[in-house]
Amino acid sequence: EIVLTQSPGTLSLSPGERATLSCRASQSVSSNFLAWYQQKPGQAPRLLIYGASSRATGIPDRFSGSGSGTDFTLTINRLEPEDFAVYYCQQYGTSQFTFGPGTKVDIK
Amino acid sequence: QLQLQESGPGLVKPSETLSLTCSVSGGSISGSSYYWGWIRRPPGKGLEWIGNIYHSGNTYYNPSLKSRVTISVDTSKNQFSLKLSSVTAADTAVYYCARHRTYGFYYMDVWGKGTTVTVSS
Repeated sequence: EIVLTQSPGTLSLSPGERATLSCRASQSVSSNFLAWYQQKPGQAPRLLIYGASSRATGIPDRFSGSGSGTDFTLTINRLEPEDFAVYYCQQYGTSQFTFGPGTKVDIK
Repeated sequence: QLQLQESGPGLVKPSETLSLTCSVSGGSISGSSYYWGWIRRPPGKGLEWIGNIYHSGNTYYNPSLKSRVTISVDTSKNQFSLKLSSVTAADTAVYYCARHRTYGFYYMDVWGKGTTVTVSS
C-alpha cells in the first residue's frame, strides 16, 4: 500500500502570499494517479488538480500542481480569503485510492 | 448538471449495520469510465476512501474495511448504496458519495454534500 505524507501539517500565511504544499509518496506514483482537493468546513471536498498538474474545471489559475515520482507540490499563488482551507492529496494504486493526512492553510 | 445526494439514518447503534444510499441526478450511473463510491471523514481526522462500484456491479474496497463493507448498485433507480456492518464509535463520520474517474486519470470529481452518521447507543 502506498502511503502519502503531507507537509507541513499547518501553514499560516497572509492573503496575497504564496502557499507551497508538499505531498510525498512512499513509492513512486504515476502522475496520472495523483490529485489534489480543497475542503472547507461543512463542505464536501472539491477537486482542484488531477494528473498532478491539470486544473479541474472552474479552478482559478492561481492554483498549480507539479511533481513526479514520489514528490508532488500544490502551489497557490496570491492567496485569496476563500483559499484558507484544508488540502488533501490523493493517489490511486492497486485498485484502491488513498488520501494524505491533509495540510491546513490558515490565516496568519 | 450531475448531482449526488446521500441519504440514510444519522444515528446507528454499536454493533448494528450502517446503511446509506446515494442518489444520482443529472446523468446516468451507467456511463463508462466512471465508478461510484464512498469516502468518509471522521471528526478531527482526514479523508478515508471506503470503496467503489461500477454499474456492472464490480467493486473495490479499502482493505482495512473490506470485511465489513458492501457497496451495491441499482441502475434502475440511478442509485448506489453502502452497508457497513458491526459499527463502533470509530465509524462516526461524515460520509460522502462521489463519482470516481477510473480511466486514464484517477480522481473524484463530483461529490455529494455529505451526511453525518453517529454511532452511539
